[in-house]
Amino acid sequence: EVQLVESGGGLVQPGRSLRLSCTTSGFTFGDYAISWVRQAPGKGLQWVGFLTSKSLGATTEYAASVKGRFTISRDDSKSIAYLQMNGLNTDDTGVYYCTRGVGAPFDYWGQGTLVTVSS
Amino acid sequence: EIVLTQSPGTLSLSPGERATLSCRASQSVSSGYLAWYQQKPGQAPRLLIYGASRRATGIPDRFSGSGSGTDFTLTISGLEPEDFAVYYCQQYGRSYDTFGQGTKLEI
Repeated sequence: EVQLVESGGGLVQPGRSLRLSCTTSGFTFGDYAISWVRQAPGKGLQWVGFLTSKSLGATTEYAASVKGRFTISRDDSKSIAYLQMNGLNTDDTGVYYCTRGVGAPFDYWGQGTLVTVSS
Repeated sequence: EIVLTQSPGTLSLSPGERATLSCRASQSVSSGYLAWYQQKPGQAPRLLIYGASRRATGIPDRFSGSGSGTDFTLTISGLEPEDFAVYYCQQYGRSYDTFGQGTKLEI
């Protein structure tokens, strides 16, 4: 069974950093890109970024709103992806989901982890 | 960047009725790379339709997708109580995956 589980969310002050993890199982992690999608409270879905598999060059792309502040990485030996978030601001508050794939429909999602940026 | 505009914002219907949700793209969506998701409160989105018209695994056949180019439609025939949720379209044909703003289907 394919599973993705996010963790690492919480309350953080503006300007600080947070690292989210996406722990996966049930599929060959190294063969897939990982994407992150977020959802502000009461709002719609917003694509954050992706990291392709190493076989495709471990390419990253980010939404303009997070570019230069967020970094996606992966540890294929542990089947875990990470979202490093620096310079957080209140607009970054929301539930963060990891999903697998890019350039393809998101067939599996994690349950999400809540990030709250507030002083 | 492709902008997806969904309409209506809210759709009020009763169980048993037919729902028609629209998703319009600012540019042609390549190869019909258009998906639909359902999201219920407190849950992650669930893939319903991909490739504009293909049902994902386990999705009931009352859900159907159609369209091409810039205009796409999700139709739910014979609404069940569990279908009342928010629906999002997504294009995944370009590097920057984008979502529509959502349509809330309410009783």
